[in-house]
Amino acid sequence: AQKVTQAQTEISVVEKEDVTLDCVYETRDTTYYLFWYKQPPSGELVFLIRRNSFDEQNEISGRYSWNFQKSTSSFNFTITASQVVDSAVYFCALSGVTNTGNQFYFGTGTSLTVIP
Amino acid sequence: ETGVTQTPRHLVMGMTNKKSLKCEQHLGHNAMYWYKQSAKKPLELMFVYSLEERVENNSVPSRFSPECPNSSHLFLHLHTLQPEDSALYLCASSLDSSSYNEQFFGPGTRLTVL
Repeated sequence: AQKVTQAQTEISVVEKEDVTLDCVYETRDTTYYLFWYKQPPSGELVFLIRRNSFDEQNEISGRYSWNFQKSTSSFNFTITASQVVDSAVYFCALSGVTNTGNQFYFGTGTSLTVIP
Repeated sequence: ETGVTQTPRHLVMGMTNKKSLKCEQHLGHNAMYWYKQSAKKPLELMFVYSLEERVENNSVPSRFSPECPNSSHLFLHLHTLQPEDSALYLCASSLDSSSYNEQFFGPGTRLTVL
């Protein structure tokens, strides 16, 4: 079965602290894609990053970095020197091809609050 | 202009009402999606349209009826809903329905069923 687990429901950090959001996934596909999305209070999810299952290189984009480890089926997201604007709900997602077509699976989200 | 728009932003309806949610994308995408977001649950994919053809229907009750008249517009027709259908309904679009494409989301319609 395909599944995404974000065990951290809510996290609070003080501004400038680093924070890591965990994501663990389950899939039987050999080819799959992992995503992170940010949902600010306005509601619309904003795409942050995509990773395919064959590319385990870690990625850094400004204060954001992602650690993909197939051995532990994890795709964790770290925010360095957090800012108040980082406060949002963050979703990890998995997509792959099933026998009925393409499917997309989201975790339950992690609500991050950055305290000034 | 915002890539994906949804109207209305908020909707309150009784269980016997019929209403429709509208989604429009201005990104030239060929795939559109409806999701349901309930508190403390993962986003649930409801429907996927690719080039105006429905390609996924994830066991959604028939009281939800999607319509995609063209690749830019997507509707979700609602009738005889239940209180447990209260949720945020999100529309999204992507270049096509391939699993590697990121999706662009609208702000959602907050639906309350009384």
